[in-house]
Amino acid sequence: ELKVEQNPLFLSMQEGKNYTIYCNYSTTSDRLYWYRQDPGKSLESLFVLLSNGAVKQEGRLMASLDTKARLSTLHITAAVHDLSATYFCAVDPNRDDKIIFGKGTRLHILP
Amino acid sequence: GAVVSQHPSWVICKSGTSVKIECRSLDFQATTMFWYRQFPKQSLMLMATSNEGSKATYEQGVEKDKFLINHASLTLSTLTVTSAHPEDSSFYICSAADITRGDTQYFGPGTRLTVL
Repeated sequence: ELKVEQNPLFLSMQEGKNYTIYCNYSTTSDRLYWYRQDPGKSLESLFVLLSNGAVKQEGRLMASLDTKARLSTLHITAAVHDLSATYFCAVDPNRDDKIIFGKGTRLHILP
Repeated sequence: GAVVSQHPSWVICKSGTSVKIECRSLDFQATTMFWYRQFPKQSLMLMATSNEGSKATYEQGVEKDKFLINHASLTLSTLTVTSAHPEDSSFYICSAADITRGDTQYFGPGTRLTVL
């Protein structure tokens, strides 16, 4: 059974600090997604990572993928309150658009 | 970017009634759409794959007679929760991929179903 595990599940941190969220998955997948969800809202696509070693950055967020280690990271630089949300990683191991989600990391950034 | 809409955004109904939720791709065609459900503070769980012109495929543990899916056109999929009960209360989200725009899944805004 495919497992997608995120760590940590909950994170409270001060503004201005850096932190990394980890996403491990248990089977081969060369598609890795990161999404953001605000309370009561749907998902916003942040990054699509399609190859080993892929690194993408958008503002204070940077995502990377190591397909050999089955690991993706989402790094937050100099966090600001607006980044408070739940972040999901997800994989599409069979390339059939059936996306399997991790449990999510609830990020709370204190002003 | 591509837009996926859902209707309604929130519905409250009595136990035993059926509720239909629509998912539309507004500026692209989607031969395949996906339905997810999300319980409070939990992740999204894939329920079924909606296929235009053919039967939906359901994930293990999802009752196909309970959750009827119809993909009548390339821009519309509907999910009907039949004889809804309080345990069906959840956030239902659909998604679709626009193959002309790469590998990104676009998610609808979600429909919050509350069954009394």
